[in-house]
Amino acid sequence: EAGVTQSPTHLIKTRGQQATLRCSPISGHTSVYWYQQALGLGLQFLLWYDEGEERNRGNFPPRFSGRQFPNYSSELNVNALELEDSALYLCASSFGSFSGANVLTFGAGSRLTVL
Amino acid sequence: GENVEQHPSTLSVQEGDSAVIKCTYSDSASNYFPWYKQELGKRPQLIIDIRSNVGEKKDQRIAVTLNKTAKHFSLHITETQPEDSAVYFCAAGSGGSYIPTFGRGTSLIVHP
Repeated sequence: EAGVTQSPTHLIKTRGQQATLRCSPISGHTSVYWYQQALGLGLQFLLWYDEGEERNRGNFPPRFSGRQFPNYSSELNVNALELEDSALYLCASSFGSFSGANVLTFGAGSRLTVL
Repeated sequence: GENVEQHPSTLSVQEGDSAVIKCTYSDSASNYFPWYKQELGKRPQLIIDIRSNVGEKKDQRIAVTLNKTAKHFSLHITETQPEDSAVYFCAAGSGGSYIPTFGRGTSLIVHP
């Protein structure tokens, strides 16, 4: 069974540009979570999608947005990139979370570097 | 919302020693507490979890304890080995709209 896959592995952008990151969840999982992992700050919650809807977002500005497609894959868009957006962006998937706490399985992440 | 504090940020031990990492949480509604291990350059992977109806859980050299009254939980690793070297993250959350909140991580270094 394929795990959570993310693309691209690495992405280099300049300030002001836009970045798009993609995530394919494990088959059967309907929930997708996005986390930002900046150096020394642990995993900061960005967005949660379930059954195609945005269910919650963390304390990040509106230029961080995303969506979930009918096949439950998801993309994260970051507009007007700033230097401090440089981080590892992790996607995780789980079974539908409205039924209770479920195990999150993480992808390998997308490393975004903003110059 | 939930707030998770994790200590220490760095832990250095000799091979064969025990290691303990502690976390506290703020939301008394939290009822699920997973621990993840992230090796250098790799993805976080679940190593053990505990739910609020259990006080302790063991899996070989790894154990987790939970004190709901004090709102803290701990990861215990016995007979540490160099391959245990990694960053460990604790998390807390609850059912319903489940969004796990992570601690900042503990870098465990096991010296051979």
